[in-house]
Amino acid sequence: SQKIEQNSEALNIQEGKTATLTCNYTNYSPAYLQWYRQDPGRGPVFLLLIRENEKEKRKERLKVTFDTTLKQSLFHITASQPADSATYLCALDGFSGGYNKLIFGAGTRLAVHP
Amino acid sequence: DGGITQSPKYLFRKEGQNVTLSCEQNLNHDAMYWYRQDPGQGLRLIYYSQIVNDFQKGDIAEGYSVSREKKESFPLTVTSAQKNPTAFYLCASSRAHDTGELFFGEGSRLTVL
Repeated sequence: SQKIEQNSEALNIQEGKTATLTCNYTNYSPAYLQWYRQDPGRGPVFLLLIRENEKEKRKERLKVTFDTTLKQSLFHITASQPADSATYLCALDGFSGGYNKLIFGAGTRLAVHP
Repeated sequence: DGGITQSPKYLFRKEGQNVTLSCEQNLNHDAMYWYRQDPGQGLRLIYYSQIVNDFQKGDIAEGYSVSREKKESFPLTVTSAQKNPTAFYLCASSRAHDTGELFFGEGSRLTVL
């Protein structure tokens, strides 16, 4: 069956450390993968998109990798700050149910402690 | 500022009532979407529209209805046929379907009493 999985347990880290979040998928062949940030009670906000032919993408303190062999994307936040505390969602483009759509993981909650 | 506006933010409904959630965008996007978010689950697609006067069912369309009479507007009606409507509903748009990032509204939380 097709699945997209993110670690359901919250990730707790100390301010200044690097946070690494994982997104694994099975039985999809996505052309791209996206990461979103969602704060409690708010809508998700787009952060980064990485295409299948890109190994790595950076934006300020954010870095995303995409390994189509491992079927995995890693999302890194360097020099993390308490303001980075949020839930991070990964999403990939997939063909399911007869049409193309963006398929979301359940998200991983990140808590950065001072 | 361009963006997506959802209303109301919070809505309470009695069982057996239909309710309509509003979604308006001024981004000039062709594609619009409705998602449902439940705790511990990924966003699930209810309906999407690629162009005015056209829309398609998503994964969980039963008990919901939509219209797309204007490019800017994509209202969602939660009907009494929806057995478990209590959830957080998110509207989104994109320049075209199946390409690039989604822009989300702030969400509407529906609670059935």
